Amino acid sequence: GQQLNQSPQSMFIQEGEDVSMNCTSSSIFNTWLWYKQDPGEGPVLLIALYKAGELTSNGRLTAQFGITRKDSFLNISASIPSDVGIYFCAGQLEGTYKYIFGTGTRLKVLA
Amino acid sequence: DGGITQSPKYLFRKEGQNVTLSCEQNLNHDAMYWYRQDPGQGLRLIYYSQIVNDFQKGDIAEGYSVSREKKESFPLTVTSAQKNPTAFYLCASSGAELSYEQYFGPGTRLTVT
Repeated sequence: GQQLNQSPQSMFIQEGEDVSMNCTSSSIFNTWLWYKQDPGEGPVLLIALYKAGELTSNGRLTAQFGITRKDSFLNISASIPSDVGIYFCAGQLEGTYKYIFGTGTRLKVLA
Repeated sequence: DGGITQSPKYLFRKEGQNVTLSCEQNLNHDAMYWYRQDPGQGLRLIYYSQIVNDFQKGDIAEGYSVSREKKESFPLTVTSAQKNPTAFYLCASSGAELSYEQYFGPGTRLTVT
């Protein structure tokens, strides 16, 4: 099945540092979603992007919909310990209800 | 509260038994989905449904079956034909328009021994 290329796979950072992760694909998407998942829980939607070039913020999180519609990135500024978790991107295939998920970025924050 | 419920949170079954996982949503969403997640892995699509009485296979449908008799409900049956059924199962739903957010339930962890 299809999966998005998400990088990095994992990150260990110090509290207060900024974080950046991205997803790329060969397919065109009409929606990009970013999620955070805690162990044993369902993913929680962080940010949704609908237009190429769109830049959207949610508190310390900022995400952008790539201009080619094949990529997206997520930045987290001034990380805190509760940012620990797995972050997933998801792209909605154009003209369908189907979402393709990235392989996830595991974030660990050192206090 | 609006949302997606999955029950139970943990489920244990013996090999060879079919088991049905429940998923209910009160968000008035048209589309519903089932994903499977294995340890350290991403989400893989099992089945999805855009409207009542219609559903499509995802990437890993073999050994699974679904029904969509009501807009609010999308149960998943893990059959004895599924070779590796132990996993974390996630249900999700999204709205009517093609460009819309997808929300997840809390998941059901199925263990088959």
